[in-house]
Amino acid sequence: EVQLVQSGAEVKKPGESLKISCKGSGYIFDNFWIGWVRQMPGKGLDWMGIIYPGDSEITYSPSFEGQVTISADKSISTAYLQWTSLKASDAAIYYCARGIKAIRGVPDYWGQGTLVTVSS
Amino acid sequence: EIVVTQSPATLSLSPGERATLSCRASRSVGRNLAWYQQHPGQPPYLLFYGASTRATGVPVRFSGSGSGTEFTLTISSLQSEDFAVYYCQHYNTWPPPFGPGTKVEIK
Repeated sequence: EVQLVQSGAEVKKPGESLKISCKGSGYIFDNFWIGWVRQMPGKGLDWMGIIYPGDSEITYSPSFEGQVTISADKSISTAYLQWTSLKASDAAIYYCARGIKAIRGVPDYWGQGTLVTVSS
Repeated sequence: EIVVTQSPATLSLSPGERATLSCRASRSVGRNLAWYQQHPGQPPYLLFYGASTRATGVPVRFSGSGSGTEFTLTISSLQSEDFAVYYCQHYNTWPPPFGPGTKVEIK
């Protein structure tokens, strides 16, 4: 069974750093890209970027390039989303999602989401 | 940039009724369109890609159709678990944008 299990909820202050994770299981991690999607409170879905663990190729959405860092450690089947300096506007639920093969940007499996709260 | 819009924003129906949700792209996306369902507090769930290819486990009461700029998601007879928010998404370009969603609520 394919599963994506994300790290737990985080409460941070503005300016702090954060790294959240997404562990894949039940499939060959290297062979499917993993993306990160933001959902702000009561709002829709925004693609942040994707990584192909097999060769670590990363593509960011223009709105998020330079704002976050996406990475993966295929030895432990885990993808990461990282901030160096959080802003209040980063408060959201962040989902990792595995893509359908050959269709970049369409996920067939999603993690449970990680709630990030940023407040002074 | 190809923008996707959805209508209506909210659809109020009773269980057993037919639901018809619309998604429109500002330029042709061929059949590169997906639909998702999201319940409160849950991640999205893929329903269709390629406009009409049903994802694994999706009940047959759901159907997807359309091409070019006009797409439709139809639920033939609403069940209690179908009341949720539905998003369409085109994937002709990167990033592939999601529409604003249609909320299907109990009348």
